[in-house]
Amino acid sequence: QQQVKQSPQSLIVQKGGIPIINCAYENTAFDYFPWYQQFPGKGPALLIAIRPDVSEKKEGRFTISFNKSAKQFSLHIMDSQPGDSATYFCAASPDNYGQNFVFGPGTRLSVLP
Amino acid sequence: DAGVIQSPRHEVTEMGQEVTLRCKPISGHNSLFWYRQTMMRGLELLIYFNNNVPIDDSGMPEDRFSAKMPNASFSTLKIQPSEPRDSAVYFCASNDEGAGELFFGEGSRLTVL
Repeated sequence: QQQVKQSPQSLIVQKGGIPIINCAYENTAFDYFPWYQQFPGKGPALLIAIRPDVSEKKEGRFTISFNKSAKQFSLHIMDSQPGDSATYFCAASPDNYGQNFVFGPGTRLSVLP
Repeated sequence: DAGVIQSPRHEVTEMGQEVTLRCKPISGHNSLFWYRQTMMRGLELLIYFNNNVPIDDSGMPEDRFSAKMPNASFSTLKIQPSEPRDSAVYFCASNDEGAGELFFGEGSRLTVL
């Protein structure tokens, strides 16, 4: 019940495409859902986060969609660029305390020029 | 402002040797986290400190692993003796009061031969 499932494992899109990464969880106590972006050789960095009281949150070209009833959330990247090529991790937590974060396994995104 | 600083960035050692990984959190952050990243298991929380005190070490895989935080600006993760299955990237992260965004270092890539 503590797991966060993430798909696909890897994704290749052309520049300008809209990659979509999906995550699902079981624990209804989860209340905070951050996404982290990791470039090769670097540590993960917070990209965007959402709480279940909203169904969508947008920051620049990155949008999180949240479906509370289905216990699913997804990341969309509009007008993707080669510089977006990275590994993306979704996470879930009952609060925003880092010790409770449960990370998904990650999605490796490649955006081709 | 400097981010989380980890050393060494790369370590290659032989089975049975002692390994010490080091971390300097962001100044002013009072919470520190050690994570391990592998292809098989993704990002796993090993141990969490708050105000230099270990709060949760349930993720430490076995007694060969130990972590200390002697002061607010320094932490170590030690593996003794090391085994090939310990090969992974080890990340240190910090934040303020354990809440919100986790700030990760660039990681220490450990290879145990």
